[in-house]
Amino acid sequence: GEDVEQSLFLSVREGDSSVINCTYTDSSSTYLYWYKQEPGAGLQLLTYIFSNMDMKQDQRLTVLLNKKDKHLSLRIADTQTGDSAIYFCADTASNTGNQFYFGTGTSLTVIP
Amino acid sequence: DAGVTQSPTHLIKTRGQHVTLRCSPISGHKSVSWYQQVLGQGPQFIFQYYEKEERGRGNFPDRFSARQFPNYSSELNVNALLLGDSALYLCASSLSGSQPQHFGDGTRLSIL
Repeated sequence: GEDVEQSLFLSVREGDSSVINCTYTDSSSTYLYWYKQEPGAGLQLLTYIFSNMDMKQDQRLTVLLNKKDKHLSLRIADTQTGDSAIYFCADTASNTGNQFYFGTGTSLTVIP
Repeated sequence: DAGVTQSPTHLIKTRGQHVTLRCSPISGHKSVSWYQQVLGQGPQFIFQYYEKEERGRGNFPDRFSARQFPNYSSELNVNALLLGDSALYLCASSLSGSQPQHFGDGTRLSIL
Protein backbone atom coordinates (compact mmCIF):
# COMPACT_ATOMS: atom_id res chain seq x y z
CA GLY A 1 0.00 0.00 0.00
CA GLU A 2 0.84 3.65 0.01
CA ASP A 3 3.56 4.83 2.37
CA VAL A 4 3.62 8.42 3.63
CA GLU A 5 6.52 9.52 5.82
CA GLN A 6 7.21 12.61 7.91
CA SER A 7 9.78 13.64 10.46
CA LEU A 8 8.38 13.42 13.97
CA PHE A 9 9.38 16.71 15.57
CA LEU A 10 10.14 20.32 14.63
CA SER A 11 10.92 23.21 16.93
CA VAL A 12 11.09 26.85 15.78
CA ARG A 13 11.17 30.28 17.37
CA GLU A 14 8.15 32.53 17.17
CA GLY A 15 8.34 34.73 14.06
CA ASP A 16 10.57 32.33 12.14
CA SER A 17 9.42 30.20 9.22
CA SER A 18 8.59 26.52 9.70
CA VAL A 19 9.05 23.92 7.00
CA ILE A 20 7.41 20.53 7.41
CA ASN A 21 8.37 17.82 4.95
CA CYS A 22 6.61 14.72 3.68
CA THR A 23 7.46 11.95 1.22
CA TYR A 24 5.02 9.58 -0.43
CA THR A 25 5.28 6.58 -2.71
CA ASP A 26 2.23 6.63 -5.02
CA SER A 27 3.01 8.72 -8.07
CA SER A 28 -0.61 8.80 -9.27
CA SER A 29 -2.11 10.73 -6.34
CA THR A 30 -4.55 13.36 -7.54
CA TYR A 31 -4.54 15.60 -4.49
CA LEU A 32 -2.15 15.93 -1.56
CA TYR A 33 -3.28 17.43 1.70
CA TRP A 34 -2.07 19.08 4.87
CA TYR A 35 -4.07 18.76 8.08
CA LYS A 36 -3.51 20.26 11.54
CA GLN A 37 -4.45 18.53 14.78
CA GLU A 38 -4.50 20.30 18.12
CA PRO A 39 -4.59 18.33 21.40
CA GLY A 40 -7.89 16.56 21.94
CA ALA A 41 -9.33 17.71 18.63
CA GLY A 42 -10.02 16.32 15.20
CA LEU A 43 -8.14 17.18 12.04
CA GLN A 44 -8.46 20.61 10.49
CA LEU A 45 -7.96 20.83 6.73
CA LEU A 46 -5.28 23.49 6.18
CA THR A 47 -4.68 23.34 2.47
CA TYR A 48 -4.30 20.96 -0.42
CA ILE A 49 -2.61 20.91 -3.79
CA PHE A 50 -3.61 19.35 -7.06
CA SER A 51 -0.98 17.02 -8.40
CA ASN A 52 -0.40 19.05 -11.59
CA MET A 53 0.68 22.09 -9.55
CA ASP A 54 4.15 22.81 -8.21
CA MET A 55 3.21 25.43 -5.65
CA LYS A 56 0.20 26.82 -3.86
CA GLN A 57 0.17 29.83 -1.56
CA ASP A 58 -2.59 30.60 0.92
CA GLN A 59 -1.84 33.54 3.26
CA ARG A 60 0.98 32.34 5.58
CA LEU A 61 0.99 28.84 4.10
CA THR A 62 3.00 27.74 1.07
CA VAL A 63 2.82 24.20 -0.28
CA LEU A 64 5.55 22.91 -2.58
CA LEU A 65 5.18 19.69 -4.56
CA ASN A 66 8.04 17.91 -6.28
CA LYS A 67 6.40 15.03 -8.15
CA LYS A 68 9.68 13.68 -9.47
CA ASP A 69 11.02 13.17 -5.95
CA LYS A 70 7.53 12.50 -4.47
CA HIS A 71 8.17 15.21 -1.91
CA LEU A 72 5.64 17.58 -0.39
CA SER A 73 6.40 20.44 1.97
CA LEU A 74 4.42 22.94 4.01
CA ARG A 75 6.00 26.29 4.86
CA ILE A 76 4.42 28.42 7.57
CA ALA A 77 5.62 32.01 7.50
CA ASP A 78 5.87 34.10 10.67
CA THR A 79 5.13 31.10 12.87
CA GLN A 80 3.03 31.89 15.96
CA THR A 81 2.55 30.01 19.24
CA GLY A 82 -0.97 29.14 18.05
CA ASP A 83 0.63 27.14 15.25
CA SER A 84 1.94 24.60 17.77
CA ALA A 85 0.18 21.34 16.83
CA ILE A 86 0.66 18.10 14.94
CA TYR A 87 0.68 18.42 11.18
CA PHE A 88 -0.28 15.52 8.92
CA CYS A 89 0.23 15.15 5.22
CA ALA A 90 -2.12 12.83 3.35
CA ASP A 91 -2.70 11.58 -0.13
CA THR A 92 -5.04 9.28 -1.95
CA ALA A 93 -3.58 6.24 -3.65
CA SER A 94 -5.09 5.58 -7.06
CA ASN A 95 -5.40 1.83 -6.70
CA THR A 96 -7.53 2.10 -3.56
CA GLY A 97 -10.11 4.57 -4.79
CA ASN A 98 -10.47 7.48 -2.44
CA GLN A 99 -8.79 6.04 0.63
CA PHE A 100 -6.69 8.65 2.42
CA TYR A 101 -3.22 7.67 3.60
CA PHE A 102 -1.80 9.75 6.42
CA GLY A 103 1.74 10.21 7.58
CA THR A 104 2.69 9.74 11.23
CA GLY A 105 2.47 13.47 11.83
CA THR A 106 5.05 16.16 12.66
CA SER A 107 4.78 17.76 16.07
CA LEU A 108 5.56 21.47 15.72
CA THR A 109 6.60 23.35 18.83
CA VAL A 110 6.84 27.13 18.64
CA ILE A 111 9.12 28.71 21.23
CA PRO A 112 8.11 32.22 22.34
CA ASP B 1 -22.82 26.08 8.71
CA ALA B 2 -22.36 23.16 11.07
CA GLY B 3 -19.29 21.04 10.55
CA VAL B 4 -19.04 17.28 10.89
CA THR B 5 -20.59 16.23 14.19
CA GLN B 6 -19.82 13.01 16.02
CA SER B 7 -21.41 11.42 19.05
CA PRO B 8 -20.68 10.55 21.70
CA THR B 9 -17.48 12.51 22.39
CA HIS B 10 -16.21 10.00 24.92
CA LEU B 11 -17.11 6.40 25.63
CA ILE B 12 -15.86 3.78 28.06
CA LYS B 13 -16.55 0.11 27.39
CA THR B 14 -15.26 -3.23 28.60
CA ARG B 15 -13.77 -6.05 26.58
CA GLY B 16 -16.31 -8.11 24.63
CA GLN B 17 -18.92 -5.36 24.49
CA HIS B 18 -20.33 -3.73 21.38
CA VAL B 19 -20.23 -0.03 20.48
CA THR B 20 -22.00 2.23 17.95
CA LEU B 21 -20.51 5.56 16.95
CA ARG B 22 -22.47 8.16 15.01
CA CYS B 23 -21.57 10.82 12.49
CA SER B 24 -23.49 13.61 10.77
CA PRO B 25 -21.75 15.04 7.70
CA ILE B 26 -21.63 18.63 6.57
CA SER B 27 -24.87 19.57 4.83
CA GLY B 28 -24.64 18.67 1.15
CA HIS B 29 -21.84 16.15 1.60
CA LYS B 30 -22.70 12.69 0.36
CA SER B 31 -19.56 10.80 1.33
CA VAL B 32 -18.53 9.73 4.81
CA SER B 33 -15.29 8.05 5.83
CA TRP B 34 -14.23 6.54 9.14
CA TYR B 35 -10.71 6.48 10.57
CA GLN B 36 -9.07 5.05 13.67
CA GLN B 37 -6.31 7.09 15.29
CA VAL B 38 -4.24 5.37 17.93
CA LEU B 39 -2.28 7.66 20.24
CA GLY B 40 0.90 8.89 18.59
CA GLN B 41 -0.01 7.73 15.09
CA GLY B 42 -1.73 9.08 12.01
CA PRO B 43 -5.34 8.13 11.24
CA GLN B 44 -5.91 4.72 9.64
CA PHE B 45 -8.68 4.30 7.11
CA ILE B 46 -11.56 2.00 8.09
CA PHE B 47 -14.46 2.61 5.67
CA GLN B 48 -15.76 4.99 3.07
CA TYR B 49 -19.41 5.31 2.05
CA TYR B 50 -20.87 7.29 -0.81
CA GLU B 51 -24.57 7.48 -1.57
CA LYS B 52 -25.19 4.73 1.00
CA GLU B 53 -22.85 2.28 -0.70
CA GLU B 54 -19.51 1.08 0.64
CA ARG B 55 -16.75 2.43 -1.60
CA GLY B 56 -13.70 1.38 0.34
CA ARG B 57 -12.61 -0.76 3.26
CA GLY B 58 -9.32 -0.64 5.12
CA ASN B 59 -7.42 -3.48 6.74
CA PHE B 60 -9.68 -3.98 9.75
CA PRO B 61 -11.32 -7.20 11.00
CA ASP B 62 -14.95 -8.09 10.34
CA ARG B 63 -15.78 -6.94 13.87
CA PHE B 64 -15.89 -3.48 12.33
CA SER B 65 -18.91 -2.58 10.22
CA ALA B 66 -20.61 0.59 9.10
CA ARG B 67 -23.56 1.90 7.20
CA GLN B 68 -24.82 5.15 5.73
CA PHE B 69 -28.41 6.31 5.97
CA PRO B 70 -30.59 8.11 3.39
CA ASN B 71 -29.82 11.45 5.09
CA TYR B 72 -26.08 10.64 4.61
CA SER B 73 -25.38 10.25 8.32
CA SER B 74 -23.40 7.18 9.25
CA GLU B 75 -22.79 4.67 12.02
CA LEU B 76 -19.65 2.71 12.82
CA ASN B 77 -20.20 -0.50 14.76
CA VAL B 78 -17.53 -2.49 16.54
CA ASN B 79 -18.31 -5.89 18.06
CA ALA B 80 -16.40 -7.97 20.61
CA LEU B 81 -14.29 -5.04 21.72
CA LEU B 82 -10.60 -5.61 22.44
CA LEU B 83 -8.20 -3.50 24.48
CA GLY B 84 -6.47 -2.59 21.21
CA ASP B 85 -9.62 -0.91 19.94
CA SER B 86 -8.97 1.97 22.34
CA ALA B 87 -8.47 4.97 20.05
CA LEU B 88 -9.89 8.19 18.69
CA TYR B 89 -12.44 7.38 15.97
CA LEU B 90 -12.72 10.10 13.39
CA CYS B 91 -15.43 10.69 10.84
CA ALA B 92 -14.84 12.78 7.74
CA SER B 93 -17.23 13.98 5.08
CA SER B 94 -16.77 15.25 1.56
CA LEU B 95 -18.93 16.26 -1.37
CA SER B 96 -17.92 13.10 -3.15
CA GLY B 97 -15.35 10.51 -2.26
CA SER B 98 -12.56 12.20 -4.21
CA GLN B 99 -12.99 15.70 -2.77
CA PRO B 100 -11.14 17.09 0.28
CA GLN B 101 -12.36 15.54 3.50
CA HIS B 102 -13.47 17.54 6.53
CA PHE B 103 -13.15 15.91 9.93
CA GLY B 104 -15.21 15.94 13.07
CA ASP B 105 -13.63 16.12 16.53
CA GLY B 106 -13.89 12.37 16.97
CA THR B 107 -15.13 9.92 19.56
CA ARG B 108 -12.59 8.88 22.19
CA LEU B 109 -13.19 5.18 22.91
CA SER B 110 -11.55 3.60 25.93
CA ILE B 111 -11.70 -0.15 26.53
CA LEU B 112 -11.17 -1.43 30.06
